[in-house]
Amino acid sequence: GNSVTQMEGPVTLSEEAFLTINCTYTATGYPSLFWYVQYPGEGLQLLLKATKADDKGSNKGFEATYRKETTSFHLEKGSVQVSDSAVYFCALNLDSGAGSYQLTFGKGTKLSVIP
Amino acid sequence: EAGVVQSPRYKIIEKKQPVAFWCNPISGHNTLYWYRQNLGQGPELLIRYENEEAVDDSQLPKDRFSAERLKGVDSTLKIQPAELGDSAVYLCASSPWGGSFVQETQYFGPGTRLLVL
Repeated sequence: GNSVTQMEGPVTLSEEAFLTINCTYTATGYPSLFWYVQYPGEGLQLLLKATKADDKGSNKGFEATYRKETTSFHLEKGSVQVSDSAVYFCALNLDSGAGSYQLTFGKGTKLSVIP
Repeated sequence: EAGVVQSPRYKIIEKKQPVAFWCNPISGHNTLYWYRQNLGQGPELLIRYENEEAVDDSQLPKDRFSAERLKGVDSTLKIQPAELGDSAVYLCASSPWGGSFVQETQYFGPGTRLLVL
């Protein structure tokens, strides 16, 4: 079946450090890939997405490139801020076999940024 | 534009008691999803509605869980009776067209945190 594997957290960084959160996937087909973010006490919200190979999604200084050859969608940010502290989820969307698409999430990576 | 609304935000019950969660999706969104998120895990789909129709409920434990979406808008998820293992966050999400587009974004509510004692 389809699956997403994220690097385990928690990740603790100092402000202005470089961030990478690794994400790889297994899928039979051509999924769309997403990063969702969950701030403390809030619901998940879309951070960025990419719908085909070599696409780059970007938002709020975060970037991720859809790499079909390595089945990866790693999240990066050049300089993190305290406000980036949250849980980050990598997800893929693909035909569930029931004639519709279904989001499959990774386990999430908790990021803490300290001043 | 108002987001997905869920209530209650928190619920504590004793095992074997019933519990219900309510969701109001974004206006105009045809597709509604219920997810369960266990501690330290990503959300897992329980059921998906296209308008009033439950089109994917393969992962809903039907012996104790039920859901409805009357008039294709609000939805209620019920557990009866609750078990200790049901403690989790229950998330509702909506999207404009749901199953038709692989690139479609889902919009999530804040969730209901359930604790079963």
